[in-house]
Amino acid sequence: GESVGLHLPTLSVQEGDNSIINCAYSNSASDYFIWYKQESGKGPQFIIDIRSNMDKRQGQRVTVLLNKTVKHLSLQIAATQPGDSAVYFCPGADGLTFGKGTHLIIQP
Amino acid sequence: DAGVTQSPTHLIKTRGQQVTLRCSPKSGHDTVSWYQQALGQGPQFIFQYYEEEERQRGNFPDRFSGHQFPNYSSELNVNALLLGDSALYLCASSATGDGYTFGSGTRLTVV
Repeated sequence: GESVGLHLPTLSVQEGDNSIINCAYSNSASDYFIWYKQESGKGPQFIIDIRSNMDKRQGQRVTVLLNKTVKHLSLQIAATQPGDSAVYFCPGADGLTFGKGTHLIIQP
Repeated sequence: DAGVTQSPTHLIKTRGQQVTLRCSPKSGHDTVSWYQQALGQGPQFIFQYYEEEERQRGNFPDRFSGHQFPNYSSELNVNALLLGDSALYLCASSATGDGYTFGSGTRLTVV
């Protein structure tokens, strides 16, 4: 079965710095990956996705990188803002396995 | 275009009671999934409904049951509530070609 995991439970960054949140997956057949952001008191919110035929995808201030060789993906947030403070998840494409997430804390 | 709507937003129940939570999916979505999220944890998949049938189920006891209606809305029922059932219950809707859209959840407290 597929398992996903986040490398750090908590990541603290200075406002304005770039943030990198990492995720590993075990199923080499996975072909679709999604990042979600969950703010306090809210449900998870879609941020960005990437298919396995891509190495990189960019959105507004966010970039997802996929390294299929080592089964690793990362979410990069540029110029981190207070509103980026949340828990970030990278569940399997089937939406069944979320893991604990990484709590991104923004320091003023 | 309304997203996923869940009701109620908060609920307090006593051990042993039964509870029903409701979810209206995003317009155009035909699949509803339910998750339980304990404090400080990620969402845990309970089950998924499609065409009014349970399509997939996570590792939850039979006390957790659900239903999907012809209009694609769904209910989650939990019987014989335990203190450990206290959590945020999330509903997510989806459709082929479109990813999961989550509601804001129902905060259930069992006392």
